[in-house]
Amino acid sequence: LAKTTQPISMDSYEGQEVNITCSHNNIATNDYITWYQQFPSQGPRFIIQGYKTKVTNEVASLFIPADRKSSTLSLPRVSLSDTAVYYCLVGDWGLDTDKLIFGTGTRLQVFP
Amino acid sequence: IAGITQAPTSQILAAGRRMTLRCTQDMRHNAMYWYRQDLGLGLRLIHYSNTAGTTGKGEVPDGYSVSRANTDDFPLTLASAVPSQTSVYFCASSEDQGAAGELFFGEGSRLTVL
Repeated sequence: LAKTTQPISMDSYEGQEVNITCSHNNIATNDYITWYQQFPSQGPRFIIQGYKTKVTNEVASLFIPADRKSSTLSLPRVSLSDTAVYYCLVGDWGLDTDKLIFGTGTRLQVFP
Repeated sequence: IAGITQAPTSQILAAGRRMTLRCTQDMRHNAMYWYRQDLGLGLRLIHYSNTAGTTGKGEVPDGYSVSRANTDDFPLTLASAVPSQTSVYFCASSEDQGAAGELFFGEGSRLTVL
């Protein structure tokens, strides 16, 4: 299973774009890349998922280079409410479930 | 829409006692999971179930047991609680096994073992 590495923390200001990169050097062919957001005292919440290239939804964009050994979650124009922990999850579909392991996440602090 | 319901929300427990954390989902998802979250360690998978009637061990299964008698319920039992099991426990579900698609999480159960 692909192990993920993310920065422990990041700081930003309101209105700025934030990019959080996740390294997953051992990603397998069948692995998808998924990002979750967690607020204090709440369960994680799905943000975005991708396999390759770029994925965009109403909340974020996910950039995945051709070698898929890393991925970057991009949050456009962050606000104070984006202060949270962001987790990168890499795993395969339809195979073993026992390794849906989250890393330690990136704690994003947005300042006014 | 309830999604995932966990109970209790919070519990203080004496060491050596038995405790069952309840988890119910109303989305008819096949797969369910239990994670624990500790400060600085992120989320760690305890046990999972790909479908009713089957269970499997995750990253940190020791001291915990689960059962999946039906699609909706996935209780987590601590047979004899120890202080190191003090943590926040999250139940989650997904439509099917695997990492493609979305994991839906409950609000967590905060357990303190004294």
